Amino acid sequence: DIQMTQSPSTLSASVGDRVTITCRASQNINIWLAWYQQKPGKAPNLLIYKASTLESGVPSRFSGSGSGAEFTLTISSLQPDDFATYYCQQYNTYSRTFGQGTKVEIK
Amino acid sequence: QVQLQESGPGLVKPSETLSLTCRVSGASVSSGNYYWSWIRQPPGKRPEWIGYIFYTGSTNYNPSLESRVSISADKSKNQFSLRLSSVTAADTAVYYCARDALDGVDYWGQGTLVTVSS
Repeated sequence: DIQMTQSPSTLSASVGDRVTITCRASQNINIWLAWYQQKPGKAPNLLIYKASTLESGVPSRFSGSGSGAEFTLTISSLQPDDFATYYCQQYNTYSRTFGQGTKVEIK
Repeated sequence: QVQLQESGPGLVKPSETLSLTCRVSGASVSSGNYYWSWIRQPPGKRPEWIGYIFYTGSTNYNPSLESRVSISADKSKNQFSLRLSSVTAADTAVYYCARDALDGVDYWGQGTLVTVSS
């Protein structure tokens, strides 16, 4: 099984801040990585796939980068609607695994 | 617009079988390059992939659950189902049905909480 590890687990930031979340895979997953945003009581929402491709309708302040085993999600200027939990997910093999999540809180 | 809706009991007794159905509208479970998936999320924890069924009928399951899980599809009703046997309290979670577009999960149901308790 491929393990996914995110850092940090919690992040305190202010509106307008640039925020970066890291996701590491236990083995090479090429570019087969997605990022999701989840708000309390809701299903996750796809933000980015293939490590850096923005899903349709997602604001351009979100961006993704990386390949192999290390990836980042960046929010260029944090907005009030962005306070949520973010998950990475690998889909390199037939199975899928998620990171443990990064909660972005108001500072 | 693709929509998915889970249905099934919200309470299951330990050792019994959990059964959920996902009704799909706006897309067909019998065509297209999609994996019709089940994903669960225990309270306060990360999502966990359970498995999926492809439009051809082929399935893949999480190795940690494979001995207890079965996913099937009813093309005539445009729905797919999950069965998880021998449940314990560790299977308590919000269960989501979803469409995996092979590049991320692009549509999710609203989720249904299933509690395992006597």
